[in-house]
Amino acid sequence: ETGVTQSPTHLIKTRGQQVTLRCSSQSGHNTVSWYQQALGQGPQFIFQYYREEENGRGNFPPRFSGLQFPNYSSELNVNALELDDSALYLCASSLGTGSSSYNSPLHFGNGTRLTVT
Amino acid sequence: AQSVAQPEDQVNVAEGNPLTVKCTYSVSGNPYLFWYVQYPNRGLQFLLKYITGDNLVKGSYGFEAEFNKSQTSFHLKKPSALVSDSALYFCAVRDMNSGYSTLTFGKGTMLLVSP
Repeated sequence: ETGVTQSPTHLIKTRGQQVTLRCSSQSGHNTVSWYQQALGQGPQFIFQYYREEENGRGNFPPRFSGLQFPNYSSELNVNALELDDSALYLCASSLGTGSSSYNSPLHFGNGTRLTVT
Repeated sequence: AQSVAQPEDQVNVAEGNPLTVKCTYSVSGNPYLFWYVQYPNRGLQFLLKYITGDNLVKGSYGFEAEFNKSQTSFHLKKPSALVSDSALYFCAVRDMNSGYSTLTFGKGTMLLVSP
C-alpha cells in the first residue's frame, strides 16, 4: 500500500511569486484535502477535492486554488505569495466524502515546508 | 461551528509514568473524534478515533483515549510513557455539517518524556 507523497519537501519563494505543490494520494483513495499548518498552530483546512471537483473550502482567499487529476493526485497553487503564507502544507487523502466517510481517518503526507521571503 | 481545545501547550512526564493529554470539544450533534501525532518535520499520523460505542478507545503504540460526553472531553492516555512518545499531539473533530469529510484540529500539545 503506497502512502501519501508530497513534493517538494522544502521550497523558498519571494513575496509576490506563485507556487505549485503536488500530492499523490494513498492507493485507492479518491478524496484529497489540503491543510496549512503555521508554526505553533494546528492544521487549518484549505479545501477538498473529490472526483476532480472542489467540494469544500475553508477560510482561505481565492489566490489559493487547486486541481485534482483523474488518478486522484492533486496540486495546490498559491498566487501572489505573502509572508504569512510561510507554513507547512499538508495533503491528506481519504476514501469517499460525506456521511459515508465520517468514521474514516485522513491519511497525511509529510508536507511541503514553504518559506516566503 | 465545531471546535477543539487543547488547554496545555506542553506536558512533561518521566519515562514509565502514566501520561494524559487533554482535549475538549464543542460540536452540534454526535462527535466524531480523532487523535493524531506529529514528529518533527513530518506529517500527522493517525492514533485512534471515537465514533460510537465503548467510551475507552484503544489505538496505536499503546495509546488509548477516554470519551466523556457530559464533560465534552476526549483525553489521550498511556499507562507507561516512553521517551520515543515525545512529539506533538493533535486532537481533532470531524465536521458533520459541511457535507464533506474535513477535520477541525486543536492547536496541539507538545509531549516531552524525560528518561
